[in-house]
Amino acid sequence: GDSVTQMEGPVTLSEEAFLTINCTYTATGYPSLFWYVQYPGEGLQLLLKATKADDKGSNKGFEATYRKETTSFHLEKGSVQVSDSAVYFCALDQGGKLIFGQGTELSVKP
Amino acid sequence: NAGVTQTPKFQVLKTGQSMTLQCAQDMNHEYMSWYRQDPGMGLRLIHYSVGAGITDQGEVPNGYNVSRSTTEDFPLRLLSAAPSQTSVYFCASKGVRGATWHFGDGTRLSIL
Repeated sequence: GDSVTQMEGPVTLSEEAFLTINCTYTATGYPSLFWYVQYPGEGLQLLLKATKADDKGSNKGFEATYRKETTSFHLEKGSVQVSDSAVYFCALDQGGKLIFGQGTELSVKP
Repeated sequence: NAGVTQTPKFQVLKTGQSMTLQCAQDMNHEYMSWYRQDPGMGLRLIHYSVGAGITDQGEVPNGYNVSRSTTEDFPLRLLSAAPSQTSVYFCASKGVRGATWHFGDGTRLSIL
């Protein structure tokens, strides 16, 4: 069945460091891909999305490109801030279902 | 426009009790889903629905029942609560033509 695999955490970075969180997926067909963020004690927020191959989603300095050839949707940010500390979830949407990866906890230190 | 509303926000149950978690959306969305979130395991799909009268099992359906008698409501029933069902439960919805899922604020459920 469809699945999403994320880089394991927790990830600890210093402020202004470069961030990459890897995400790969297994799916039949052509799913839409998402990154969600969950700040401590809060619900889920959509961070960015891509609906077809080679699309780049971007928001708040975060970017991810839908790579069909490598079935990947890696999340990147050039310079992280303490306020980016959260859990990040990669997800795919196909057939009326949204399937999540296990989440990657990011902690940014000043 | 309320979006996706989950009730209750918190609940404590004893082992063996039954209860229903409510989920309602006012956006006329066809797709609705229930997830549970446990530490280190992300959000796992319990049951989902692609329209009124149609439901299907997700990754972790055991111990839970759902029904979808109207477009707006998608209740999740715990038949006989077990400590392993202690979790945070999220409901989500999406329109057929939309790309964005809308999430409720979650229900924190503890089973003693």
